[in-house]
Amino acid sequence: QQQVKQSPQSLIVQKGGISIINCAYENTAFDYFPWYQQFPGKGPALLIAIRPDVSEKKEGRFTISFNKSAKQFSLHIMDSQPGDSATYFCAASSTSGTYKYIFGTGTRLKVLA
Amino acid sequence: EAGVAQSPRYKIIEKRQSVAFWCNPISGHATLYWYQQILGQGPKLLIQFQNNGVVDDSQLPKDRFSAERLKGVDSTLKIQPAKLEDSAVYLCASSLGSNTDTQYFGPGTRLTVL
Repeated sequence: QQQVKQSPQSLIVQKGGISIINCAYENTAFDYFPWYQQFPGKGPALLIAIRPDVSEKKEGRFTISFNKSAKQFSLHIMDSQPGDSATYFCAASSTSGTYKYIFGTGTRLKVLA
Repeated sequence: EAGVAQSPRYKIIEKRQSVAFWCNPISGHATLYWYQQILGQGPKLLIQFQNNGVVDDSQLPKDRFSAERLKGVDSTLKIQPAKLEDSAVYLCASSLGSNTDTQYFGPGTRLTVL
């Protein structure tokens, strides 16, 4: 119940295309869902986050779509660029209690020039 | 502002040896986290400190791993004795406070156990 399932494991997209990464969770206590971006040799960095009171959040080319009933959320990267090539992790947490971040297994994105 | 500092960046040891990692969080951040990231997997929380008190250490293998955060600032994570399966990147992160505050990660320490 603590797992966050992430797919696909890897993704290759042409420059200018749309990259879509999906995550699913079981624990209904989760109410905070951040996405992290990690470049090789670096620590993860927060990209964008959403709470379940909204179904979508957009920041620049990055959009999170959230489906509370299906317990799924996804990251869309519009107009993908070679500089977006990195590993992306979704995570889930609860704002009550001491729930830690539960991270997905990661998606390695490669954007071809 | 300066980010989360970690050292060393790389460490290679033999199994059954001991090793220690150091982390200095962002100034003013009350919460400090140690994560283990095995190749191809997402980070897994080992221990979470709020100031110098432990909030969550449920996934810390306490028979071999220990961590402390003296004076509520920097922290050390120790493994003694190391096993082959401890080979991973150890990430330190910090945040201002609650679970919903942004966690800022350091560059990590890559540990190889031979």
